[in-house]
Amino acid sequence: DTEVTQTPKHLVMGMTNKKSLKCEQHMGHRAMYWYKQKAKKPPELMFVYSYEKLSINESVPSRFSPECPNSSLLNLHLHALQPEDSALYLCASSKAPTSGGYNEQFFGPGTRLTVL
Amino acid sequence: GQQVMQIPQYQHVQEGEDFTTYCNSSTTLSNIQWYKQRPGGHPVFLIQLVKSGEVKKQKRLTFQFGEAKKNSSLHITATQTTDVGTYFCADSGGSNYKLTFGKGTLLTVNP
Repeated sequence: DTEVTQTPKHLVMGMTNKKSLKCEQHMGHRAMYWYKQKAKKPPELMFVYSYEKLSINESVPSRFSPECPNSSLLNLHLHALQPEDSALYLCASSKAPTSGGYNEQFFGPGTRLTVL
Repeated sequence: GQQVMQIPQYQHVQEGEDFTTYCNSSTTLSNIQWYKQRPGGHPVFLIQLVKSGEVKKQKRLTFQFGEAKKNSSLHITATQTTDVGTYFCADSGGSNYKLTFGKGTLLTVNP
């Protein structure tokens, strides 16, 4: 299984709602990532989890709260979002990098989020 | 990650023509990865280049890493409509996890 799955595919939420995005992989990868991608722009890294621990937070506002319940699952909890947070949210996973090397990232199909 | 400049931003070709996208950095890159994102899709890994002067081929795609490891290119020979999409280079900047993507080149192919 070389697939990263994400749910939901689409999400519309109001600024006062609380929602969660989910991501799952069964490739045994120990690094998982959240990216935000605006239209016609490259993916921007938000968070990295390594061995279920948060290792990188790219100064993301606290209205985005990541969680890694186990090595296969990654969540992104959303609360009090702004309309400018509307974007495609991509999850990715990779092997934990070995020294001197780097590993490809496998991306999920994304959740297209609209904040009204 | 380091700033990686990618050009051109857009390229429209007739089917059968060749296509090249370039990534350039002012500093030495540790390694570079290339991804393709189809319209409405998600990025898909194509290749990783690590060594100075490295050249790798995948069917009609040729990837190069410059001798100084400050630039990379992706060349597609005889484009097909299935090549449509945005091609991103991505630099790890020496980090084990953090990828910084170039702005991408959107390729459209006229059949």
